Amino acid sequence: GAVVSQHPSRVICKSGTSVKIECRSLDFQATTMFWYRQFPKQSLMLMATSNEGSKATYEQGVEKDKFLINHASLTLSTLTVTSAHPEDSSFYICSARGGDQPQHFGDGTRLSIL
Amino acid sequence: GQSLEQPSEVTAVEGAIVQINCTYQTSGFYGLSWYQQHDGGAPTFLSYNALDGLEETGRFSSFLSRSDSYGYLLLQELQMKDSASYFCARGEGDKIIFGKGTRLHILP
Repeated sequence: GAVVSQHPSRVICKSGTSVKIECRSLDFQATTMFWYRQFPKQSLMLMATSNEGSKATYEQGVEKDKFLINHASLTLSTLTVTSAHPEDSSFYICSARGGDQPQHFGDGTRLSIL
Repeated sequence: GQSLEQPSEVTAVEGAIVQINCTYQTSGFYGLSWYQQHDGGAPTFLSYNALDGLEETGRFSSFLSRSDSYGYLLLQELQMKDSASYFCARGEGDKIIFGKGTRLHILP
């Protein structure tokens, strides 16, 4: 079946580092990809929606210059957390949909900023 | 998660039946989904209701009443592996908006 691959699964890095997370649709063309953030014991909060070839639409309160999203192809979207700080430590999850496919979620990336 | 309300925690006994309720705001409502998430994992899709009524998938069933802006997830023959968080979610156009989640604790 359709699969969404997210990489890396875990990142630990120093404060001030920029971190890139990749989200790939493996068996279908993802016209739309979504990025979520989840803090411990909380819900998944939608950060942004990206459509292939256009700028991402960010949810209220999400800094677009802090969280850079690129969706340059129908199978790949990237989220870059720029100059990450400890408060950016969280579980980041992507999802993708396209054609007649429902939303499929990646396995998530656990980001820890020291 | 402000547009969906669900209990924060539910406790049940192995082998029993448990119901997790979800109420939602009606503006722009497309349908109600349910997801399961184990600790450290990504959410996995369980069911979707666009119309009123009951959808059954094995031990899990989901119900929707659009007139009452209410739905529930029913888990039967509970197993220890069902210990997880369960999220109701609503569609808003292309987006999925999640509730705050219900933590299900299962006692042996």
